[in-house]
Amino acid sequence: KQEVTQIPAALSVPEGENLVLNCSFTDSAIYNLQWFRQDPGKGLTSLLLIQSSQREQTSGRLNASLDKSSGRSTLYIAASQPGDSATYLCAVSFLTGGSYIPTFGRGTSLIVHP
Amino acid sequence: ETGVTQSPTHLIKTRGQQVTLRCSSQSGHNTVSWYQQALGQGPQFIFQYYREEENGRGNFPPRFSGLQFPNYSSELNVNALELDDSALYLCASSFGEKLFFGSGTQLSVL
Repeated sequence: KQEVTQIPAALSVPEGENLVLNCSFTDSAIYNLQWFRQDPGKGLTSLLLIQSSQREQTSGRLNASLDKSSGRSTLYIAASQPGDSATYLCAVSFLTGGSYIPTFGRGTSLIVHP
Repeated sequence: ETGVTQSPTHLIKTRGQQVTLRCSSQSGHNTVSWYQQALGQGPQFIFQYYREEENGRGNFPPRFSGLQFPNYSSELNVNALELDDSALYLCASSFGEKLFFGSGTQLSVL
């Protein structure tokens, strides 16, 4: 059974700090990995998608890396802002029964205080 | 804006009842998937439809069923509701490999 683990479960930082969120997975035969943001009681917003053949993706202050051999991905957020406060979820797509199915971690709850 | 809309936003049902949740996605998004998210947990995959056929299913019992229609809308039906079915239900459509989520339906089973 594929498992996705996110560490830490919660994080509280002052505004302006650079921070790293971690995602680990048990099966290196992934199809892709996607990072999402979720605000309380809301749906998920896609942040970055990394194909299995890629090492990293960047969008603005966000950078996501992928190391399949070690089963790890990191999401780097530069110069954090209070508006970054949300839960960040990692989803890894594995081949299951002929289809690529995403498995989500439990997320990292981030609070950026002014 | 993801272009994926879900209805209703909130719903309260009684144990044993049946419920239908609806999702409308963007034109051209041929794949739709449904997820159950309990409080404090990540979304759990329920099933996926591609061109109106189910082509993937998670570890959910048969009382969870779905439909996808030619107009890019879909439904999630849950029969014989149990208290543990209380959760946020999310619908996502796919364009390429990217997932676009709706805001979800919060279901409470009393």
